[in-house]
Amino acid sequence: ETGVTQSPTHLIKTRGQQVTLRCSSQSGHNTVSWYQQALGQGPQFIFQYYREEENGRGNFPPRFSGLQFPNYSSELNVNALELDDSALYLCASTPRQGEWNTEAFFGQGTRLTVV
Amino acid sequence: DAKTTQPPSMDCAEGRAANLPCNHSTISGNEYVYWYRQIHSQGPQYIIHGLKNNETNEMASLIITEDRKSSTLILPHATLRDTAVYYCIVRVRGGSGNTGKLIFGQGTTLQVKP
Repeated sequence: ETGVTQSPTHLIKTRGQQVTLRCSSQSGHNTVSWYQQALGQGPQFIFQYYREEENGRGNFPPRFSGLQFPNYSSELNVNALELDDSALYLCASTPRQGEWNTEAFFGQGTRLTVV
Repeated sequence: DAKTTQPPSMDCAEGRAANLPCNHSTISGNEYVYWYRQIHSQGPQYIIHGLKNNETNEMASLIITEDRKSSTLILPHATLRDTAVYYCIVRVRGGSGNTGKLIFGQGTTLQVKP
């Protein structure tokens, strides 16, 4: 158990809909990153939040957006869902932003299926 | 793009040591090597990381070559529960944001056999 919790665990949405995924970071961790993992692929970095602001973004369109709250929990929002958005969405928390000598702890992920 | 190269798959007999290689020839002097593993449909699990010295913890050992261009993860006594995809990652400094994001490649699928 990493202490990083994600909800929901599974979700089915229709193409064109919007979805919100949630993540509670490990206690004491102020930085949250989101990753998308398509079937058979490694996780791909979407973006990171630190101090409630986006702090780095991967190659994902603007319809992928997020929030971080004062308690460091985070949301990932995806608008205008496409079939290719079907994936496992992973949240990872780290103790402090920008420190690469600390491990990132991952949640168990949310399995999103777009039909 | 991932900065590491790993074999796509490996087999190991239960109880034997599993040695997983990784090439990272373009690693910069201040970038760390991280290893994670992912058991089917679960979140990646942190195993170990290092800069230039060999590291050991309760899960594994990490051997980094002197030139830092490659490393080996060693699971000393593999069990069936070690069957997973193992990712070798060079932790990248971001731009001004210094995200320290993890760039995953395809990983090595380790199959531990009885």
